[in-house]
Amino acid sequence: QQPVQSPQAVILREGEDAVINCSSSKALYSVHWYRQKHGEAPVFLMILLKGGEQKGHEKISASFNEKKQQSSLYLTASQLSYSGTYFCGTESSSDYKLSFGAGTTVTVRA
Amino acid sequence: DTAVSQTPKYLVTQMGNDKSIKCEQNLGHDTMYWYKQDSKKFLKIMFSYNNKELIINETVPNRFSPKSPDKAHLNLHINSLELGDSAVYFCASSQDFGTQGIGPGELFFGEGSRLTVL
Repeated sequence: QQPVQSPQAVILREGEDAVINCSSSKALYSVHWYRQKHGEAPVFLMILLKGGEQKGHEKISASFNEKKQQSSLYLTASQLSYSGTYFCGTESSSDYKLSFGAGTTVTVRA
Repeated sequence: DTAVSQTPKYLVTQMGNDKSIKCEQNLGHDTMYWYKQDSKKFLKIMFSYNNKELIINETVPNRFSPKSPDKAHLNLHINSLELGDSAVYFCASSQDFGTQGIGPGELFFGEGSRLTVL
């Protein structure tokens, strides 16, 4: 079952912050985050394993609340290069499949 | 050197035709996948192979047949193409089942093959 992402889209000015949320109805083993720029392949950002871990990639960080089956991606001091569609992928504790959400389109303007 | 390469990148064909997409990875990974991304950008898993063995086979019409001749290659053949098959098909690979032996680690995606059925 696919995770639910929110918001669907967000528009930012350079330097602003944003949060993208991802939630699942299943117990999760891990959450993945990927970014896809227009016309390109999705690119891996980070994996969070169960345990409430937090990770960072430049000024992009994420948290994983295993009990709530939720993850959030934080874009801090956004740059033009952060524009793209962000996908969360969730791996449930019961199977090996990585299911992706519908994506959140982020547009960063100068 | 491209890590995961797919051919062709673009494919335009008529309904009812049969077509194939090829994928190769040079990362030494054990697991390969086919994902379908429709016009609404949903990334949906279709198949997964681990060391040439089919491990994930989602509810996909049997007109779609994957084939893995070796662990570095995964091809997708589609028979009797329909309008609804139009999409971007992504091949991906991962280093087996992740660090804990459960589920995939980081996925490396190919550039995608855009299929348009007229």
